[in-house]
Amino acid sequence: DTEVTQTPKHLVMGMTNKKSLKCEQHMGHRAMYWYKQKAKKPPELMFVYSYEKLSINESVPSRFSPECPNSSLLNLHLHALQPEDSALYLCASSQAGEKFFGPGTRLTVL
Amino acid sequence: AQSVTQLGSHVSVSEGALVLLRCNYSSSVPPYLFWYVQYPNQGLQLLLKYTSAATLVKGINGFEAEFKKSETSFHLTKPSAHMSDAAEYFCAVRGGTNWDDKIIFGKGTRLHILP
Repeated sequence: DTEVTQTPKHLVMGMTNKKSLKCEQHMGHRAMYWYKQKAKKPPELMFVYSYEKLSINESVPSRFSPECPNSSLLNLHLHALQPEDSALYLCASSQAGEKFFGPGTRLTVL
Repeated sequence: AQSVTQLGSHVSVSEGALVLLRCNYSSSVPPYLFWYVQYPNQGLQLLLKYTSAATLVKGINGFEAEFKKSETSFHLTKPSAHMSDAAEYFCAVRGGTNWDDKIIFGKGTRLHILP
């Protein structure tokens, strides 16, 4: 299995909702990442987990809360988001420097 | 600090013509360089990577890139464009020397294929 899966593919939520994005990989990779991509822009790093510990938080607002329950799973918990948070959220994993990206979750905040 | 610059936010080529997408890098350490492709409404797919081995790197879908240290370049080429190559292409560099360092992306180049 050489892929990263993300669920859901699409998510529409209100500003008072709580939702979660899920990412899964079964390649044995020990680093996992969350990126945010706005339209017509490159992906921007949000968080890095290395060996299930948060190693990088790129000054992301606290309304985004990452969680790494085990080496195969990465969650991104969302609460009280703003319309400007609407974007494609990409998960990636890596082991030897090469990053494998998932298909992303298209998030719309109303 | 590591960075990449992609020259040209949009490139148009005719079907069957040579594709050349330009990328220049800046790195304080020997760079690990990547080209990713993103089709509309999809995630990123790795086309090829340079990790300090051969300077001419062959990737998927007929793409290749040449690492030129003297020019700090890592341009992406394909001899003959196909309509299916229309997509956004990102050049990227690893942000440090650790295997789990983040990827830093260029601004991207949209490739248009003319019939």
